[in-house]
Amino acid sequence: KQEVTQIPAALSVPEGENLVLNCSFTDSAIYNLQWFRQDPGKGLTSLLLIQSSQREQTSGRLNASLDKSSGRSTLYIAASQPGDSATYLCAVQLTTDSWGKFQFGAGTQVVVTP
Amino acid sequence: GAVVSQHPSRVICKSGTSVKIECRSLDFQATTMFWYRQFPKKSLMLMATSNEGSKATYEQGVEKDKFLINHASLTLSTLTVTSAHPEDSSFYICSARDILAVFSYEQYFGPGTRLTVT
Repeated sequence: KQEVTQIPAALSVPEGENLVLNCSFTDSAIYNLQWFRQDPGKGLTSLLLIQSSQREQTSGRLNASLDKSSGRSTLYIAASQPGDSATYLCAVQLTTDSWGKFQFGAGTQVVVTP
Repeated sequence: GAVVSQHPSRVICKSGTSVKIECRSLDFQATTMFWYRQFPKKSLMLMATSNEGSKATYEQGVEKDKFLINHASLTLSTLTVTSAHPEDSSFYICSARDILAVFSYEQYFGPGTRLTVT
């Protein structure tokens, strides 16, 4: 059974520092890995989607890497800002599931202090 | 970009009553929709996969008779929580897979519905 783990569970950094969020998964037969942002009481905002054949994706200050063989993905957020405070979730879609359902990690709660 | 809406965004109901939550894909057609549940400060747990015109596929441990899912059209899926109890209070989020996304599996998430059962 696929398990998705995110470490750390919570992170607090001063503004300007770089953020490093980790995600690990036990089954390497993934189709996609996606990073989401969730603000309190809100839905999900998609940040980056990495297909299994890709090693990284970048969007602005965000960079996500994927090492399928070791079952790891890392989300880097450069020069953090207070507006980056949120919970970040990673989720995988398995090749063994034809519908494409997601399996989510528990998330990393990030606080960026001014 | 593709938009998925949910209605209502918040609902409070009394114990024993039923409540229906709608999930709509606004600018695309979705043969497959997913329903997730999120407990406070916890991750999203998949409840069921909903396919247009057929019965939903429920995850292990999810009561089919309690959480009724209907996917009657390519743009609408509904989740009905029957005989709701306080332990059903949660944040429910749906997602929809574009009928044209045959190879990408890309999905779009709704904004969620906060259910409180008193």
